[in-house]
Amino acid sequence: EPEVTQTPSHQVTQMGQEVILRCVPISNHLYFYWYRQILGQKVEFLVSFYNNEISEKSEIFDDQFSVERPDGSNFTLKIRSTKLEDSAMYFCASNPGQTGETQYFGPGTRLLVL
Amino acid sequence: QKEVEQNSGPLSVPEGAIASLNCTYSDRGSQSFFWYRQYSGKSPELIMSIYSNGDKEDGRFTAQLNKASQYVSLLIRDSQPSDSATYLCAVNNNQAGTALIFGKGTTLSVSS
Repeated sequence: EPEVTQTPSHQVTQMGQEVILRCVPISNHLYFYWYRQILGQKVEFLVSFYNNEISEKSEIFDDQFSVERPDGSNFTLKIRSTKLEDSAMYFCASNPGQTGETQYFGPGTRLLVL
Repeated sequence: QKEVEQNSGPLSVPEGAIASLNCTYSDRGSQSFFWYRQYSGKSPELIMSIYSNGDKEDGRFTAQLNKASQYVSLLIRDSQPSDSATYLCAVNNNQAGTALIFGKGTTLSVSS
């Protein structure tokens, strides 16, 4: 069964450094997402991506964040100048392309900013 | 501010019992509703989706939706210890976009 994959599974970085989180969405899915979950808190939407551009973003997704689909398979989230409060689990998700359809989540990247 | 509310629990039930999980949402335009299960340290895993008022059954799971009351629930019959997890309610307003708004989740503990 096709799955969303994410790398790395864990990332430790120093405050102020840049990190890139990588995702391979399910093949032939059209919508891609990033969510984050701070420890003990709810899953929060960051950004959605469709047709090679951002289709929707939350207030959390400020200029510190960017997304890119550098090739036909990878979908990346870049966090510039990381802050302590960026420590969280970051989930990538994808859906086939119809609004309201199920989003399938990857296993997540646990980011720790020291 | 669109909100999805769930009792955080923990909800404790004995093995074999029915577990009832509830969720309310604030956005009256919401049209798609999902229940995800999340084990500690893992990603959300879809259990069920529901789009129309009424009940939808899938094995031991039944989702119930009442749009007038802005309420969605999940019943788990014959609860098993392996059902012990956090259950996340997620809601989408298709007209506003495709982002899911999640509740904080209800922690279920099934004792054997």
